Amino acid sequence: GENVEQHPSTLSVQEGDSAVIKCTYSDSASNYFPWYKQELGKGPQLIIDIRSNVGEKKDQRIAVTLNKTAKHFSLHITETQPEDSAVYFCAAPSYTGTASKLTFGTGTRLQVTL
Amino acid sequence: DSGVTQTPKHLITATGQRVTLRCSPRSGDLSVYWYQQSLDQGLQFLIQYYNGEERAKGNILERFSAQQFPDLHSELNLSSLELGDSALYFCASSGGGQGYTFGSGTRLTVV
Repeated sequence: GENVEQHPSTLSVQEGDSAVIKCTYSDSASNYFPWYKQELGKGPQLIIDIRSNVGEKKDQRIAVTLNKTAKHFSLHITETQPEDSAVYFCAAPSYTGTASKLTFGTGTRLQVTL
Repeated sequence: DSGVTQTPKHLITATGQRVTLRCSPRSGDLSVYWYQQSLDQGLQFLIQYYNGEERAKGNILERFSAQQFPDLHSELNLSSLELGDSALYFCASSGGGQGYTFGSGTRLTVV
């Protein structure tokens, strides 16, 4: 099955700085890599995703990069703001026959300080 | 509102009891996934249903079971509850693409 590792587990940055979270995956068949943001007391919310046919995707202050050869992908948040404080999860799919499921990383708690 | 509805939001019950968690997927989504999130832990996959049929199973305990009904809502049944079952239980749905939409979860506390 898929194994997803995520680093760091906690990250503290000052407002305005950039934050980078990295993930590695094991299943070379994986072709879709979403990132989720979970705020306190809420369910995870998809913030950006990337498919294996592209190397980078950007949406305003967030971007994701993918290196299929090395089997790793990263989330980049620029110009961080206090509302970016949350737990971020990366994920990768694993396949069993016709079924697929997302395996999540262990999460990164991002704290943006003033 | 994500479109995925989970009830109840909070549940407090005693050890040994049985509870049922309910999930209504986003309109049109055929797949439902259940995940468990313990305190400061990641999301552990429990089980997936697609259009009423079980599709994939994770590390789901034998005391736990689930089903998806013809109207596509799903229920997760937890029995013989133990203190260690206290966690957030999330339901997610997807509609053929690979992205999941999560509900806001059910917080289960076993005392």
